Amino acid sequence: GQNIDQPTEMTATEGAIVQINCTYQTSGFNGLFWYQQHAGEAPTFLSYNVLDGLEEKGRFSSFLSRSKGYSYLLLKELQMKDSASYLCAVMDSNYQLIWGAGTKLIIKP
Amino acid sequence: GAVVSQHPSWVICKSGTSVKIECRSLDFQATTMFWYRQFPKQSLMLMATSNEGSKATYEQGVEKDKFLINHASLTLSTLTVTSAHPEDSSFYICSARLGGGEETQYFGPGTRLLVL
Repeated sequence: GQNIDQPTEMTATEGAIVQINCTYQTSGFNGLFWYQQHAGEAPTFLSYNVLDGLEEKGRFSSFLSRSKGYSYLLLKELQMKDSASYLCAVMDSNYQLIWGAGTKLIIKP
Repeated sequence: GAVVSQHPSWVICKSGTSVKIECRSLDFQATTMFWYRQFPKQSLMLMATSNEGSKATYEQGVEKDKFLINHASLTLSTLTVTSAHPEDSSFYICSARLGGGEETQYFGPGTRLLVL
């Protein structure tokens, strides 16, 4: 079966750095996405990785290792507004998105 | 760019009525649109995938006669919840994908449906 694993909840301090991990087992791979979803709102696109390595976009970076079936989202200089759920999703060989359950990130002052 | 809108954002209706939700890609043409449902504190659940001009592909367990999807143009898809019941109360979210090698899905703001 297809499976995406990410921690249910994480807590971090304002101004710090946090890494949210995602491991996956899917039938084929056509890229991995990270989305941010604030409570009561729809997801917003953060990043897309299809090749191994690190993609940096401002305070957010996303890493992919296809051989290990592993990705992480790195958030630097955390702000209170970063409190949200972070969804990892993998596109399989049929170009279907397989969604993780999301990681709820709580930022404390 | 890549803005997706949904209308309405909130619906409250009586049990047995039908509700139509519109999803529009405002600044791009979407070859594929997706409809999701999300219950409180749960994951996104894909309901169906629709391609412009063809019938929608429904996920297992989703009743196609209850959730009617029409993708009449490259910028508009509609979801009609027919004969809605309280258990259909949920957050319905659409997304659109440009296609042609661009696989990112861009989400609309969602529609909250409350069936009394």
